[in-house]
This record gives sequence, structure tokens and C-alpha cells, in this order.
Amino acid sequence: SQQGEEDPQALSIQEGENATMNCSYKTSINNLQWYRQNSGRGLVHLILIRSNEREKHSGRLRVTLDTSKKSSSLLITASRAADTASYFCATFESGGSYIPTFGRGTSLIVHP
Amino acid sequence: EAQVTQNPRYLITVTGKKLTVTCSQNMNHEYMSWYRQDPGLGLRQIYYSMNVEVTDKGDVPEGYKVSRKEKRNFPLILESPSPNQTSLYFCASSTRRGDGYTFGSGTRLTVV
Repeated sequence: SQQGEEDPQALSIQEGENATMNCSYKTSINNLQWYRQNSGRGLVHLILIRSNEREKHSGRLRVTLDTSKKSSSLLITASRAADTASYFCATFESGGSYIPTFGRGTSLIVHP
Repeated sequence: EAQVTQNPRYLITVTGKKLTVTCSQNMNHEYMSWYRQDPGLGLRQIYYSMNVEVTDKGDVPEGYKVSRKEKRNFPLILESPSPNQTSLYFCASSTRRGDGYTFGSGTRLTVV
């Protein structure tokens, strides 16, 4: 199955700054999801955006989806040290696949 | 508390010695799946199950078996583990296909 790709691979910022990470994919999707993983722990679901949606918010998170460019972005505003983690996008292809495709992730470090 | 419970958290075993990693969820989810996470390769799906007695292969099923005799449990079986199965394993569940996943805390397996 095709793989989503996050960009950048690593991001280092200061507390209070905004963090933006991007996800690109190759085929038509049903939905796209973002997850957070603290070092060595299980992934935590952050937000799901459907193919007919363009933007979604959840607290300090803002996700956009551009299906024409096959890309999504995750914006974390006013970042905190506790946001330090890896962030993954996962896509569900339209057409019946039961296999979500995870990207390799963006490693975010937020310095206090 | 709604959760996915995996056991054990850490396991070191020898080549060829059969082992089982257990996974249980208390959310009445229909959909369950197993992933392995390797550096540089991201998360790859091993097997998934859409309901009791319904299982199917993911991207990397070779060397693994699963069963789904009850809705809450989805064990991962390695009949004859090999060193290339050294990895971090995650069980995940969701209400249905395409919904956000709840992940377990992971099982770090080392095969020597």
C-alpha cells in the first residue's frame, strides 16, 4: 500500500512558537488522521479529517486537507515542552482498503 | 478506563521458541489490528480483524498468526520467531474501519 510522507523529518522550536508539519500521499483517500507518539509509547489519535473537509480544529491543533494536492498539514499553536513527540499521519484509501498507511513521522522537539 | 492492553511490555526470547503477545480491549470495538514499528520504516500493519472469526493479512504477515475467538481479544502468535522479528509491536482497535485507532502501550520484542 502507498505510504504517506511527513515533512520535515525533524523540527526543533522554542516553547510558544507554532509548529507546522506536512503530510503528502499518493492516492485518493477516504480520510486522513494525525497521531502523536511519545518516545516508545503507543500512538494517540489527535484528529481525523474526511476527504470532503478542508479544515478542522481541536484545541491548539489545526489540520488542513488539500485533496487536489494530496497533502495535509498539522499546525500546533503556542507549543509547549509537553508537545515534544513524533507525529504521524495515516491515510485510509477510498475504495475499500482496510489497511491504513502510516507515514514515517515528524519528530518535534520543543525547547523550554 | 477505555483502553487497549498488551502484554508483555518487554520480551526477550530465543530463535524458534513460540510466543504469544496478548491484546485486549474493553471498548467493544469491532476492528482490531497489529502493527510493528521499525526505525526508518514507520508502522506497518501485520494482521487485522473486522470482527470475531474474521481476520486478514496486512502488509507484513509472514511469520505471524492471529486469532479472534472473542471480540475483546486479538493475540499475536509467533510460531518460530527469528531475529528479523525484533521490533516494537502495537495492537490497536477502532469502532469500525476508518475510525480513529486506540493503541496499546506496545511490546518491545527482542529475538536472539
